[in-house]
Amino acid sequence: DADVTQTPRNRITKTGKRIMLECSQTKGHDRMYWYRQDPGLGLRLIYYSFDVKDINKGEISDGYSVSRQAQAKFSLSLESAIPNQTALYFCATSDSAGGSLAGGPGANVLTFGAGSRLTVL
Amino acid sequence: GDSVTQMEGPVTLSEEAFLTINCTYTATGYPSLFWYVQYPGEGLQLLLKATKADDKGSNKGFEATYRKETTSFHLEKGSVQVSDSAVYFCALSNTGGFKTIFGAGTRLFVKA
Repeated sequence: DADVTQTPRNRITKTGKRIMLECSQTKGHDRMYWYRQDPGLGLRLIYYSFDVKDINKGEISDGYSVSRQAQAKFSLSLESAIPNQTALYFCATSDSAGGSLAGGPGANVLTFGAGSRLTVL
Repeated sequence: GDSVTQMEGPVTLSEEAFLTINCTYTATGYPSLFWYVQYPGEGLQLLLKATKADDKGSNKGFEATYRKETTSFHLEKGSVQVSDSAVYFCALSNTGGFKTIFGAGTRLFVKA
């Protein structure tokens, strides 16, 4: 089984529908992230979570919400989908032990899921 | 704010050619630098990393050196293979180590 599993892998929906993308991980990592990938724009951060009680907005959080149901589960919701939310969505995890907050650089290595392709018509 | 700029693609090479994909960054403090690779239909995976100036990351024949004086982290490989065809992303992680910023990605095609 994959370390980071995303469901569904592909979804086509209509404008105004509510959509949930789910992510689960077996890495035991405390940090989880949702990114959106658009051609020519790279990956942009939607939300991130350091633990179950800590949720933070990323650079493009408008129109999205998240829930961290457990350390291993982090879901992304689109309450009312619109066509410009058509994109490839990635969940990722990292281990806080891989970063250093006290002097010197850290290395926040991300482990990604395979992606969820969402099309909003 | 922090940012990453990498060369636009696609880059098309013949097998065994030399590869360079340029990457420059803007950041405060001392970021860690990464190259991630995305093969068709898959998520990104770490290719190599460097956590301080003058470090060289290497993996699978790919190399990149953290150049603080030129704020660069160019990816190189001496002899590419068809199996190297993928999208390559340069990225940085800020000093706190909790947020990663990606470049736009460079698609590489390698012809047999």
